[in-house]
Amino acid sequence: QKEVEQNSGPLSVPEGAIASLNCTYSDRVSQSFFWYRQYSGKSPELIMSIYSNGDKEDGRFTAQLNKASQYVSLLIRDSQPSDSATYLCAVPIQGAQKLVFGQGTRLTINP
Amino acid sequence: KAGVTQTPRYLIKTRGQQVTLSCSPISGHRSVSWYQQTPGQGLQFLFEYFSETQRNKGNFPGRFSGRQFSNSRSEMNVSTLELGDSALYLCASSLVEGALGGYTFGSGTRLTVV
Repeated sequence: QKEVEQNSGPLSVPEGAIASLNCTYSDRVSQSFFWYRQYSGKSPELIMSIYSNGDKEDGRFTAQLNKASQYVSLLIRDSQPSDSATYLCAVPIQGAQKLVFGQGTRLTINP
Repeated sequence: KAGVTQTPRYLIKTRGQQVTLSCSPISGHRSVSWYQQTPGQGLQFLFEYFSETQRNKGNFPGRFSGRQFSNSRSEMNVSTLELGDSALYLCASSLVEGALGGYTFGSGTRLTVV
């Protein structure tokens, strides 16, 4: 089992709809969780962090964490073409000594 | 506030050569981590430096090495380059040691080995 797993996609969503991105992780003691956005040819950019079970909202983005199920998700409401990118889930592993990334989900928002 | 600065942005090297990449973290950040990103393997952890000491190392051969200076700037070296070393090398900085607070990435160095 991979330490951090995401559906690689591609995920195609119409403009204005909700995009849902999912991630599972293997380390039960992980305490913090991150979502990065990476545009083609650019470096990853941190867009959300979540530390507690439940939802965390920031503008059009909502991160959801369920530690019992070892599951974290990212919802993007009112999707815009500018949201088209690869979204990477990242979780500190091995006593938080390194940040492990999923393979990323490529998201395309269709006008 | 300046972000994470990586130099050079692009490099083309020949098999067998060696290369040194440089990273200047955000001012005040003492932790620097290095990642390799390829289409097939995604983002792979290379190593982390904190206070001039390597704190953690990923599963890469000994040809990959690094160091950190007293001003927190870091360099990564790859010796005896192989074609498979072609990748985007990303440096990330954080205020504290470890990954609990997440990282801020630099723009990366695109290395092509021919």
